[in-house]
Parts: sequence; structure tokens; C-alpha cells
Amino acid sequence: IAGITQAPTSQILAAGRRMTLRCTQDMRHNAMYWYRQDLGLGLRLIHYSNTAGTTGKGEVPDGYSVSRANTDDFPLTLASAVPSQTSVYFCASSPGLRGGYNEQFFGPGTRLTVL
Amino acid sequence: GESVGLHLPTLSVQEGDNSIINCAYSNSASDYFIWYKQESGKGPQFIIDIRSNMDKRQGQRVTVLLNKTVKHLSLQIAATQPGDSAVYFCAEITGSARQLTFGSGTQLTVLP
Repeated sequence: IAGITQAPTSQILAAGRRMTLRCTQDMRHNAMYWYRQDLGLGLRLIHYSNTAGTTGKGEVPDGYSVSRANTDDFPLTLASAVPSQTSVYFCASSPGLRGGYNEQFFGPGTRLTVL
Repeated sequence: GESVGLHLPTLSVQEGDNSIINCAYSNSASDYFIWYKQESGKGPQFIIDIRSNMDKRQGQRVTVLLNKTVKHLSLQIAATQPGDSAVYFCAEITGSARQLTFGSGTQLTVLP
């Protein structure tokens, strides 16, 4: 593994089903993030984790949960998927402050369609 | 609420010409601004950043200009190449949480 990996690459899901998007990084970065990107729009922060064992809510956290049991993994769970959660989901990680902010490195994304 | 946004959703330029992508922001408390490039099917990639106490910063073929008076940010790409075709986002860093807030993006298409 090099950098950030996400799985699955894409998924079609029936409404009401539970789904976990996986994110793994091998850079030993402290901070990790989940964003969603809707068509024609920029990325919006869902949840973040500044370090293993801690998580926080972003701009659009409703309907999503995360956990950070270790440094490398940051799964995002949709407990009961709804069509409005159809989006492309990006995971990112950051080593920490660099010149005053957390430089973020992004994964390739997961395309999720909820029917 | 305050937000970052872009003037133009699409931009087409001839190969070899210079490109200018613009971004307006409204949060005067932002202290860093970052440009990202996103190619189709990929995650955003860092291009260049600028701190709010600067008005210009140059990288390889790219220059970012910051005008705090009118809250305007631009990305200039010199000698645009086909590989520059992508969506470009500006983003800002604000507050103690140091989180990124993204604008909506501009699609740059380089014509042969």
C-alpha cells in the first residue's frame, strides 16, 4: 500500500441498507478526514479525526458515523442509506500542521449510489 | 454563512496559452488559501498555497495572486498543456480547527 486507499471503488446500494466505506493510509498521518463531493460542487467535510481514538463532526455529519481505532484506518458508516447520500466520497489524511495548516492528501474516492 | 466561491464554472483555453482561474471568498478571517487540481476519477491534488499576509506566490508554471481588498484569489497557469485539463478548486483555512472549506470548482479544458 502506498498513500491512501479506499474501498470499494464504487457501490450501488438499496435505501435502508447499512454500508461501510473503508479508508486506509500507510503514511502514519495523525489526522484523517471524510468528504463528500456532489455533482458540480466542491468537497464538504463529513467527519474528521485529529488522532487515533478521537473523532469530530464536520459540516455535514448527519446520517454518517466514523471510528478511529488505530492510526491507519478510518471507516465511514452509513447506518441506513438514503438516496440523498448518493455522492462521491473522498478520504484524506494529514501529517499535521505545515506552515500553519494541515496539508491534506486525498484518496481516489468511492462512488456511492443509493437507490 | 460565509463561503468560498468561483466566478466561472468552465474555462476553455488553447494549448500554449495562459489560463487564469478566479475565486471569490467572503471570510476575511481565512489565513490560508489553497488551490487543488482534480482530474476525472481522482481525488484532489495540492497545487499551491498562499498565506493571507502575501499577495503573490509562484510555483512551477503556476502563480497564485491574492487581493484581500476585494477578497479575490486567482490561479494563473502558464503555457497551458493538455495535462492541465481538470477541475480546479480553491479552498480556505479558517478557525482554530484548521479545516478546509472548498469552493465549487472550475472546469478547465485545454483545446489542441
